[in-house]
Amino acid sequence: ETGVTQSPTHLIKTRGQQVTLRCSSQSGHNTVSWYQQALGQGPQFIFQYYREEENGRGNFPPRFSGLQFPNYSSELNVNALELDDSALYLCASSFDREEKLFFGSGTQLSVL
Amino acid sequence: ILNVEQSPQSLHVQEGDSTNFTCGFPSSNFYALHWYRWETAKSPEALFVMTLNGDEKKKGRISATLNTKEGYSYLYIKGSQPEDSATYLCAFINTDKLIFGTGTRLQVFP
Repeated sequence: ETGVTQSPTHLIKTRGQQVTLRCSSQSGHNTVSWYQQALGQGPQFIFQYYREEENGRGNFPPRFSGLQFPNYSSELNVNALELDDSALYLCASSFDREEKLFFGSGTQLSVL
Repeated sequence: ILNVEQSPQSLHVQEGDSTNFTCGFPSSNFYALHWYRWETAKSPEALFVMTLNGDEKKKGRISATLNTKEGYSYLYIKGSQPEDSATYLCAFINTDKLIFGTGTRLQVFP
């Protein structure tokens, strides 16, 4: 059984650029969700995908978008990066939306 | 705006002490309440998934209770050990959102 893997582990971008973060779900999981973890806060829910369709979204602007692929791997895209986008981005997969989440180790994004 | 409140924010206890934390959440449109443990330099790890009012779950020295009508859950650790040091997060799930609290940071001193 493979765990949840995220890539890259670290990334440095400049303001205005675009970034794509990747997540490979745990085997057998059809639900993936993405979170932004800023210093001193709990993980903030960005959105969730179930069987390739978005089925829940947090309070993030449209420049945060995502995809889930037929093999249930996923991408988080962020356009027009802002300094406040600097954070740890966590991906988690689960068997279903109410089931426990299995987290990846995250991508640390720094926007300069 | 849906809010999940955890208290206390941080806690320092001696090895062997028992401790508990609180998670407060909206009582409407409840689907599930999760508890996670997040150790430094690791990924968050699920402790419990709770779905029914009155649920009580136990895993070793850690247990949790759930009251969906009044919107709170308690996490208890009996006889804390240094390896219990971590941030404990709760997450509330409703129809289309999953909302984490800011966590309780527990430090257990030998």
